[in-house]
Amino acid sequence: GAGVSQSPSNKVTEKGKDVELRCDPISGHTALYWYRQSLGQGLEFLIYFQGNSAPDKSGLPSDRFSAERTGGSVSTLTIQRTQQEDSAVYLCASSLRGLAGGGIPYEQYFGPGTRLTVT
Amino acid sequence: EDQVTQSPEALRLQEGESSSLNCSYTVSGLRGLFWYRQDPGKGPEFLFTLYSAGEEKEKERLKATLTKKESFLHITAPKPEDSATYLCAVQATGANSKLTFGKGITLSVRP
Repeated sequence: GAGVSQSPSNKVTEKGKDVELRCDPISGHTALYWYRQSLGQGLEFLIYFQGNSAPDKSGLPSDRFSAERTGGSVSTLTIQRTQQEDSAVYLCASSLRGLAGGGIPYEQYFGPGTRLTVT
Repeated sequence: EDQVTQSPEALRLQEGESSSLNCSYTVSGLRGLFWYRQDPGKGPEFLFTLYSAGEEKEKERLKATLTKKESFLHITAPKPEDSATYLCAVQATGANSKLTFGKGITLSVRP
């Protein structure tokens, strides 16, 4: 079946502009995650959506970052007033659910990422 | 704070030369440890989940093992197509099912 898709694959923007990154999760997956991968750094958690629950925004680095998930499916990550330090690959992942009974974790499947370059 | 440390940062092997990649972790309570493979310009590809110390999983030339402090990814008789960055991540107990990743190990296998 279709995997996680993200668009655009590459985005170049000028400092101070707003950008929107899109994620289409695997059909039927109720949990959706955004991560950021900077050069030389590990993947960094940004935000987590589970069904209709309020998202966990604990990883967002500043109030310039926000995300929404419409209809329990597609998600958009928005970065306002972009800065050069925002340049990174933004990865989206989905899993069947966030947590199962007994706390057994579900594996997260990643999209190809959006490479954001702020000039 | 959950922490994951992977070593070495980079590893160069000759085709057929077996080796192991290390992932050390500190977590308040472990729900699962995950291994991913990432090729250049692509998103991470899921390989294994390990849940408890003593558990082992295998897939082709790869075998992952888990203790209470670390995990190893053993690569037996690697081929050039095994060249990639291997990522280790932990998921802690708690309401958030986020993954905490190490920085990865870049493996290069020469023919």
